[in-house]
Amino acid sequence: EEQLLESGGGLVQPGGSLRLSCAASGFTFSNYDMNWVRQAPGKGLEWVSRISESGDKKYYADSVEGRFTISRDNSKDTLSLQMNSLRAEDTAVYYCAKESRWYYYDSTYHYFDYWGHGNMVTVSS
Amino acid sequence: DIQMTQSPSSLSASVGDRVTITCRASQSINNYLNWYQQKPGKAPKFLIYAASSLQSGVPSRFSGSGSGTDFTLTISSLQPEDFATYYCQQSYSTPRTFGQGTKLEIK
Repeated sequence: EEQLLESGGGLVQPGGSLRLSCAASGFTFSNYDMNWVRQAPGKGLEWVSRISESGDKKYYADSVEGRFTISRDNSKDTLSLQMNSLRAEDTAVYYCAKESRWYYYDSTYHYFDYWGHGNMVTVSS
Repeated sequence: DIQMTQSPSSLSASVGDRVTITCRASQSINNYLNWYQQKPGKAPKFLIYAASSLQSGVPSRFSGSGSGTDFTLTISSLQPEDFATYYCQQSYSTPRTFGQGTKLEIK
C-alpha cells in the first residue's frame, strides 16, 4: 500500500526555520516527481513546490521562492522541505503528494494520486 | 500563472440530487484538469484526471467533462459520503494551481 508520512511540523516564531520530512513507502519513490501542497486554516489548497524524480529540477510558488527549499533522498525514500524566514502567512497544514503520470498518445497527464496525512506548521510569536 | 475559478463556492443539496460544479481556467489547458475531494481534517482524495477519466475505485456516480477553459464535475445521485469540498487543479503547467474549492453541504 502506498503511503506518505510527514513529520517535522510545529510552532515557530516569525523569521524562524523549520524542516518538514515525508517518508514514502509502498512504491518506487525514485520514479515519481513529488510535491508539497499547503492549506491555511479554513482556506483552500495551495501548491508550494515540486521536485523531479532525480531531484535535478525544482519549482516553487512565488510566495515561497527564495525562502523554501525542496529536496529528496532517493536512497532513503524521503522528501524534505526546508522552510526559512517563516512568516505568519506560512501557517498551514503541509501535505506531501506523489505526482503520477498517465501517457495517452502524445500527451502526458499529471495528477496527485497519493497524499500524506498533513503536518501543521504554525508561525506565531 | 494559470488561475482556476470554481463556482459556486458553496452548494446545498439533498441525498439523491444531481449536482454540478464548474471550474474555469484563465487560459486554455486542453483537458489537463484534475478533481479532488476533501473532507474536514483529512487529506484530499484524487477523483478524476484528464478532465473525464475516473481514478480506479471512484464511484461511477462521479463524472467530469470539459476541455479548453471550461470544465464540470457532476455527481449524478448524491450519497451521504459525498458531502465534502471539491477542488479542481490544472496540470497543464507549473505552478499546478487549484481552484478555491466548492463546499457541498447537506440541505
